[in-house]
Amino acid sequence: GDSVTQMEGPVTLSEEAFLTINCTYTATGYPSLFWYVQYPGEGLQLLLKATKADDKGSNKGFEATYRKETTSFHLEKGSVQVSDSAVYFCALSDRTSYDKVIFGPGTSLSVIP
Amino acid sequence: NAGVTQTPKFQVLKTGQSMTLQCAQDMNHNSMYWYRQDPGMGLRLIYYSASEGTTDKGEVPNGYNVSRLNKREFSLRLESAAPSQTSVYFCASSAEKANYGYTFGSGTRLTVV
Repeated sequence: GDSVTQMEGPVTLSEEAFLTINCTYTATGYPSLFWYVQYPGEGLQLLLKATKADDKGSNKGFEATYRKETTSFHLEKGSVQVSDSAVYFCALSDRTSYDKVIFGPGTSLSVIP
Repeated sequence: NAGVTQTPKFQVLKTGQSMTLQCAQDMNHNSMYWYRQDPGMGLRLIYYSASEGTTDKGEVPNGYNVSRLNKREFSLRLESAAPSQTSVYFCASSAEKANYGYTFGSGTRLTVV
């Protein structure tokens, strides 16, 4: 079945460092891909998405490019801030049914001043 | 701008007790979902409702029932709670299909003792 794999955390970075969180997926069709963010004590929020190959999703300085050839959707940010400390979830929705989203296990990010 | 509202926010149950988690959305979304979040396992889909009047099982439906009461409301019931159901429960909704992206509630933290 469809699945999402993310790099293991936790990840700890200094403020203004470059961030990459790796995400790869397995899907039978051509899924839509997402990154969600969960701040402490809150529900998940949609951060960005891409619906077809080579699309780039971007929001709040974060970017991710849909790479069909490597089945990847890595999250990047050029300069992280303390306020970016959160758990990040890579996810996909299968294009054959569109009925539901499958989430990766999440990667915890801590940014220290 | 309430979005998705979940009640209660916290609950402690004794093994064997029953309870209903409530979820309501005010965005006129067609699809609604219940997930549980456990450490290291990401989010797992319990049940979903693609439209008013329909419900379907997700990845981990055992021990749960759902009701799509109307377009706005989607409740999750635990008939006989077990310690394995200790988790954080999230309700989500989406406009048409899951590839539009979800809006999440803030979660219910349930402990079964």
